[in-house]
Order: sequence, then structure tokens, then C-alpha cells
Amino acid sequence: EPEVTQTPSHQVTQMGQEVILRCVPISNHLYFYWYRQILGQKVEFLVSFYNNEISEKSEIFDDQFSVERPDGSNFTLKIRSTKLEDSAMYFCAGRTLEDFEQYFGPGTRLTVT
Amino acid sequence: SQQGEEDPQALSIQEGENATMNCSYKTSINNLQWYRQNSGRGLVHLILIRSNEREKHSGRLRVTLDTSKKSSSLLITASRAADTASYFCATAGTEDSSYKLIFGSGTRLLVRP
Repeated sequence: EPEVTQTPSHQVTQMGQEVILRCVPISNHLYFYWYRQILGQKVEFLVSFYNNEISEKSEIFDDQFSVERPDGSNFTLKIRSTKLEDSAMYFCAGRTLEDFEQYFGPGTRLTVT
Repeated sequence: SQQGEEDPQALSIQEGENATMNCSYKTSINNLQWYRQNSGRGLVHLILIRSNEREKHSGRLRVTLDTSKKSSSLLITASRAADTASYFCATAGTEDSSYKLIFGSGTRLLVRP
């Protein structure tokens, strides 16, 4: 059964550094999402992406964040200058256009020191 | 906010017993989805119920939806120790073009062998 994959599984970075989190969605998915979960808290929506553009973003998704689908398979989330409060588990998800089930990747644990 | 909220926050049962978790939300929804998360791991999609459906089954899972009360329940029958996890409901609103998911706080289920 196809799965969403994410790399790396764990990223440790220093405050102020740029990080890129990578996701490979399921091949027939066309709508993509990033969510994050701060330890012990709810899963929060960051951004949705369709047809090579952002369709919706949350207040969390400020100018420090960007998303890209550079080659038609990978889907990336970039944080330009990380802050301590960006430490969280970041999940990529995707779905087809016809169905609303969102399938999540295993997540990348980002630790900002 | 259309956030889903689950109750109870934590549930401890004996293997073989049934587990019922409830979810409430605030706004009109297109669908409601239930996910399972093992500690520190990814979100596993369990079941989706659309706003025009009242009940859905999948294996040992039974989900109900009452749109008049803006609530849903997840029943796991004949629980197993492997069902130990956190369970989240997530709603996709009718107002959102991207059908982003808004997650509740989750119910931590412990199934004692």
C-alpha cells in the first residue's frame, strides 16, 4: 500500500538556521498539506497547496515559512530562520481531489536549540 | 473556531472491553475524520464520515455523527492491547476551499492486557 514518506525523521538545528523538511506524497494525490504538533499539544494546520500554489495558510505560516513542489514528486517546507518555538513534529499530508481522506506521513521531529 | 474536542481526555479499559470516545465541534462540517497516533509517531487514518452520513463501520470501529448536536463518537469493540494510542477527531469545514483539518485534543486510550 502506498505511503507518504518524510525526511529527515529528526532534525536538530540552531536558532536562526534555515531548515528544509521534505515529503514525498502518494503519487495520485494532488492536494497537499503541512501540519505541526508541538509536544503535548494539538495538531495544527499550517498550509495547503494545490496546482503549484498555496490555497490556504494559517496565521502560523508567516514570512519565515515557504512551501514548494520543486520536481513534481517532492513537497518541501522551508523555515528560513528557525526560532526555539518552531520545535515541533511536522507532518505532511495529501489527498486526491475526489476523496477527502488525508493521509499523513510519519513526521519530522524538528528540534531548535 | 471549528475545533473538535474529544472526551474523555484519557480512558483506561481492560482488553476485550469496548472503548467509546466522543468528539464535539462548533461549525458546519463537510466531513469528520478519526486518526490514531502512537506515542511520538505519525497519524494513522482510521475512518471518514461525511456530513450526510449518520453511521459508518470499519472492522472493529464504529463511528457515528450527529450534526444537530455537532458531535461524533468512535467505538472500538473488543479492544486489544495494540489499540493503546491517542485518538483524534478532525473536522473539515464547509467554508474552507482546501478542506484543511482542524484537530481536537485527543483521547489517550490505554488497553490493559
